[in-house]
Amino acid sequence: DTGVSQDPRHKITKRGQNVTFRCDPISEHNRLYWYRQTLGQGPEFLTYFQNEAQLEKSRLLSDRFSAERPKGSFSTLEIQRTEQGDSAMYLCASSSMGGNYNEQFFGPGTRLTVL
Amino acid sequence: AQSVSQHNHHVILSEAASLELGCNYSYGGTVNLFWYVQYPGQHLQLLLKYFSGDPLVKGIKGFEAEFIKSKFSFNLRKPSVQWSDTAEYFCAVTGTGKLIFGQGTELSVKP
Repeated sequence: DTGVSQDPRHKITKRGQNVTFRCDPISEHNRLYWYRQTLGQGPEFLTYFQNEAQLEKSRLLSDRFSAERPKGSFSTLEIQRTEQGDSAMYLCASSSMGGNYNEQFFGPGTRLTVL
Repeated sequence: AQSVSQHNHHVILSEAASLELGCNYSYGGTVNLFWYVQYPGQHLQLLLKYFSGDPLVKGIKGFEAEFIKSKFSFNLRKPSVQWSDTAEYFCAVTGTGKLIFGQGTELSVKP
């Protein structure tokens, strides 16, 4: 499977704990995006990288959230001191210049439940 | 502010009925427009896209959409739906990279 992969697929945690999610983009896609989706809503943009540079962050991304893409390949999204309001599906997408940056391919998501 | 509005939250149709899902956007500048579909238990998949040129675009599975610049609209259509089209449909717009999504329309097709 050469699509976008995310790990874990499901995460249940207690309020106040830290969690980290991983995203592996399609090989050679140099842009990587993170979105969050809650029930009944469309995905909301969180942040994106071009190679290892983080180019934009949403105001939704509070200081408890941090994302990295240290080698320009996989990315991690960490949430510190989780709150119940963080419960959502976290989606990763990737795109490449060759395929028009704006065409993004999505992974299956990580569903986070904060108890 | 950039935004996307989908008019219908939940649409119920019988098989063979025609479908039109509304999408309006607010965005300054050149836009790229998309419809994504999410089948039950699956991840978001691209249904069709508009970048430039012919405003009537065709996508997979018999879907098409028309970009009307004067109305800031990008409505999705299908002449005859099938039970397998049951899914959630999202309209999205981008100009600079990040996608801005509508809240989605859940389509239920009765056999």
